[in-house]
Order: sequence, then C-alpha cells, then structure tokens
Amino acid sequence: KNQVEQSPQSLIILEGKNCTLQCNYTVSPFSNLRWYKQDTGRGPVSLTIMTFSENTKSNGRYTATLDADTKQSSLHITASQLSDSASYICVVSLGDDYKLSFGAGTTVTVRA
Amino acid sequence: NAGVTQTPKFRVLKTGQSMTLLCAQDMNHEYMYWYRQDPGMGLRLIHYSVGEGTTAKGEVPDGYNVSRLKKQNFLLGLESAAPSQTSVYFCASSYEPGQTHALNTEAFFGQGTRLTVV
Repeated sequence: KNQVEQSPQSLIILEGKNCTLQCNYTVSPFSNLRWYKQDTGRGPVSLTIMTFSENTKSNGRYTATLDADTKQSSLHITASQLSDSASYICVVSLGDDYKLSFGAGTTVTVRA
Repeated sequence: NAGVTQTPKFRVLKTGQSMTLLCAQDMNHEYMYWYRQDPGMGLRLIHYSVGEGTTAKGEVPDGYNVSRLKKQNFLLGLESAAPSQTSVYFCASSYEPGQTHALNTEAFFGQGTRLTVV
C-alpha cells in the first residue's frame, strides 16, 4: 500500500482560478515533505521542501502547507496559468535514510 | 551546467535483450538514484548509491543491476529485458558535500528514458 496518497487524481480549472491539491501520508519517521511539478514528458522539478518543523512554504504562486500532527499537506496554486498544466507529486523523505516515497500525483489541466 | 542527463531518451527492446541506461550529473552530488514510473503509480526506487563505488537496492531491484564507478555516472543495466520492464526510467541526484543536511537537500531529476520491451 502506498504510504503517500494524493487527491484528487485529476482536476480541470479555468485560467486565473485557484486550486488546492491534497496529500496524506503514513510514512514514519518523517524528515521532510516535498512537492514536485512534472510536465508531460519531463522529469519532476522541485517546488517546495518542508521539514517537519515548518508548516508553510511558498514558491511564487505555489504555497504548500504541512500539518505533521495529522500527516496532511496541501499545495495551493493561485491565479492559475496555462503553464501550470502538469502533474503535481507529493514526496515524503524517510527519516533515517535517503529514500523518497512518492505519491501517484494529481494531474492539473488549466484551460483558457 | 547541464544538471542530470540521461541517455538514451527512447529505446525499444525485444524480450531477452540487454541494455544499459546511462545517467550523468555535473553537480558533484554524492547520491544518485534510479526510479521507474508507471501509469497511476508513484515513482518507485530501483537502486541507489550514496557515493562512488557504492550501490544499494531500492524498492523494486529485481531484474536490474547498477554500477557507480565514477562519482558523476550511475549506470542501470537490464540483463534480460521482460515486458514488465516497460516503463519510464528516471535518474536523480542529490546532496553536494558541505550542505547542511543530506536528508533535506533537493533532488534533481533527468528528463527520463522511455523503454518499451516487446
């Protein structure tokens, strides 16, 4: 069973609108949580990295939140653009080694 | 500074054939990883290396071998390809010595290799 679950699986939004993606994880111990953006046919690119002591981090129009008590994270995209169309992947770093546990991703499609 | 470069980008193999995927990074990173990405699933770790001359098994190592003879290169080998190995393969690297904490450093990914085994 995957230790990182993302929802929704996919969503479609209109250009200019906001959206929020969810990530629930069961990985323990926990070192950090990352959000990656993966364009079609490309490798993932890091958006944010949060350690267990951080509860929010922003990167431009992307804002990630983390609740380590409930083991939930969200990624909020503000004023979406066509270039935001991609898969967004939640990744949890295990506490005592260098392995990453990946969610299956949320596919976001932004339409004009 | 090219980052992480994978070759080839695409390949079609017949069942039973062998091949090697090459990953090269120019960021002086200690750690390198090979993942496979299948539809509807998160990336899964095949093998990884925490330094030159070292390798370790990941989540799905069967049918694959790796080598890290040089710090900048990490090779993934398929000795006898099977249709179940049809996937997109990603290499990644992380942790330049001197950074504050290896566990919290960013991982950089290559552009992927799409492999089809028929």
